[in-house]
Amino acid sequence: QTVVTQEPSLTVSPGGTVTLTCASSTGAVTSGNYPNWFQQKPGQTPRALLYSTSDKHSWTPARFSGSLLGGKAALTLSGVQPEDEAEYYCLLHYGGSWVFGGGTKLTVL
Amino acid sequence: EVQLVESGGGLVQPGESLRLSCAASGFTFSDYGMHWVRQTAGKGLEWVSDLTAAGRTHYAGSVRGRFTVSREDAKDSFYLQINSLTAGDTGVYYCVRGTKAVAGVDFWGQGTLVTVSS
Repeated sequence: QTVVTQEPSLTVSPGGTVTLTCASSTGAVTSGNYPNWFQQKPGQTPRALLYSTSDKHSWTPARFSGSLLGGKAALTLSGVQPEDEAEYYCLLHYGGSWVFGGGTKLTVL
Repeated sequence: EVQLVESGGGLVQPGESLRLSCAASGFTFSDYGMHWVRQTAGKGLEWVSDLTAAGRTHYAGSVRGRFTVSREDAKDSFYLQINSLTAGDTGVYYCVRGTKAVAGVDFWGQGTLVTVSS
């Protein structure tokens, strides 16, 4: 059973920068895991932000970026806005199947 | 505009079966893989299954053997057959479009709620 681990919660100040990470129980996350990132606000459907580590969808704000960092997938928010407060999920590919992380609750305070 | 509309959810008893449907529009359905993702009450997201444009299926270990995905490209429709339902299957089931290359997912439907209770 593959487990994908994210920080349960993080807090950032408006205008600041924060990095969320996504680790795999099988070892280092690589580009072959095609890391995806999603944002979900209370009562709303998840919204895709990034795919294939760092590729943005047409609707993804420029302040969101993705990378591989220290064996993990990473989502960095630069110049955080109050509306970025949400739950963030990563999704990793494992040779056919996919596994979500448990989510990170980001508080903007 | 890409639209994914799920249907078929509802209240069912443990042990029963259910078939969820997803009606797609706004894109060439046959060109894309499709996924089902579920979210249980107050919890996170769980990838359930996908069916590629080429017809290959994949399932999460937790549902393999009970869940079956299928698609009808002529009807721009995607399905999830769920058998032997348990309380643990209660949640919102989302139909999600895969990216054109196998690199992730992009568009999500609004979801359909499945409640398993006696």
